[in-house]
Amino acid sequence: GNSVTQMEGPVTLSEEAFLTINCTYTATGYPSLFWYVQYPGEGLQLLLKATKADDKGSNKGFEATYRKETTSFHLEKGSVQVSDSAVYFCALTSGGYNKLIFGAGTRLAVHP
Amino acid sequence: GAVVSQHPSRVICKSGTSVKIECRSLDFQATTMFWYRQFPKQSLMLMATSNEGSKATYEQGVEKDKFLINHASLTLSTLTVTSAHPEDSSFYICSARPGTSGGFEQFFGPGTRLTVL
Repeated sequence: GNSVTQMEGPVTLSEEAFLTINCTYTATGYPSLFWYVQYPGEGLQLLLKATKADDKGSNKGFEATYRKETTSFHLEKGSVQVSDSAVYFCALTSGGYNKLIFGAGTRLAVHP
Repeated sequence: GAVVSQHPSRVICKSGTSVKIECRSLDFQATTMFWYRQFPKQSLMLMATSNEGSKATYEQGVEKDKFLINHASLTLSTLTVTSAHPEDSSFYICSARPGTSGGFEQFFGPGTRLTVL
């Protein structure tokens, strides 16, 4: 079945460091791919998305490119801030947009 | 943006009692709402999908009689954990999808932490 695998955390970085959180997926058909972010005490928020191969989603300095050949959707940011500390979830749609399948989440802690 | 609330945010109950969790879309109408369960350091697992005015569709392995879902209006869905036991302790998260041309995006509530003693 469809699944999402993302790197285990926590990821601890200093402010202004480069961030990569790996995400790979297994899916039949052509899923859409997402990154969600969960700040402490809040619900999940959509960070970015890509709906077809080679699409690049971007938002708030974060980017991820839909790589069909490697079944990956790695999240990157060139310079992280303390305010980026959160849990990041990679996800894909299944069943014609009706269901989201999530990875386990990666906790990011950014220190000044 | 679209806001989804959950109530309560935390609940502690005794084993054998029932607990109701509410999920509300505050500024949009949601024809579809989803209920997820999240174990510590694990992913969100979809429990069920509910469409306003119809019965919920449960995922494989989720007990319908234990987790009762009602989606009686376009802004409210409830999850009732019946005869709760300690193994039901978890973080329950709902999401709502707008009923217009909002497409696939789901808006998530902040979650409810249930502890069963």
